[in-house]
Amino acid sequence: EVQLVESGGGLVQPGGSLRLSCAASGFTFSSYWMSWVRQAPGKGLEWVANIKKDGSEKQYVESVKGRFTISRDNPKNSLDLQMNSLRAEDTAVYYCARWTMTAFDIWGQGTMVTVSS
Amino acid sequence: EIVLTQSPGTLSLSPGERATLSCRASQSVNMNYLAWYQQKPGQAPRLLIYGASSRATGIRDRFSGSGSGTDFTLTISRLEPEDFAVYYCQQYGTSPWTFGQGTKVEIK
Repeated sequence: EVQLVESGGGLVQPGGSLRLSCAASGFTFSSYWMSWVRQAPGKGLEWVANIKKDGSEKQYVESVKGRFTISRDNPKNSLDLQMNSLRAEDTAVYYCARWTMTAFDIWGQGTMVTVSS
Repeated sequence: EIVLTQSPGTLSLSPGERATLSCRASQSVNMNYLAWYQQKPGQAPRLLIYGASSRATGIRDRFSGSGSGTDFTLTISRLEPEDFAVYYCQQYGTSPWTFGQGTKVEIK
């Protein structure tokens, strides 16, 4: 079964850091671009970052540039998102998603990040 | 950044009726690189349509996408009970990829 499972969410103070992980299974992880998409409570979806198959290219939405870092470990079938200098507006459910070059076709169940004092 | 505006915000319909959802882009979407997703409460989004009109694997043919340039439509020909959800369009022709704000299809 093709599956993505996120972990690492939680409550963090403004200015703090958190590292999210996504475990992939059921497909050849190294053959796909991967992404993070977030959804603030009661709001719509926002693409956050993506990473090329071999990790050589990374793209970010402007609001997280310089604060978030996407990375992957192909032998371990894992995707990470290191989030630093967190702000209240980063509060959201963070989804790991597989990018097929035409759409996000597989999504994880999401992990909640709450930034609050 | 391309802004996608979805309308209406909420669509109140009965099972068996036809649903027509609109997604309008602030500028032309390159290569009609537009996708549609369905999201139910507490669940992750599910891909329905990509490339403006291609159905994703396993998606029933009552779902269809159309449009080009700046105007796109998702049509659900006959609503089934499981179709009541929020629908998002997304463009991936120009970075940053952006989503619309969503249309909620609710039971009338």
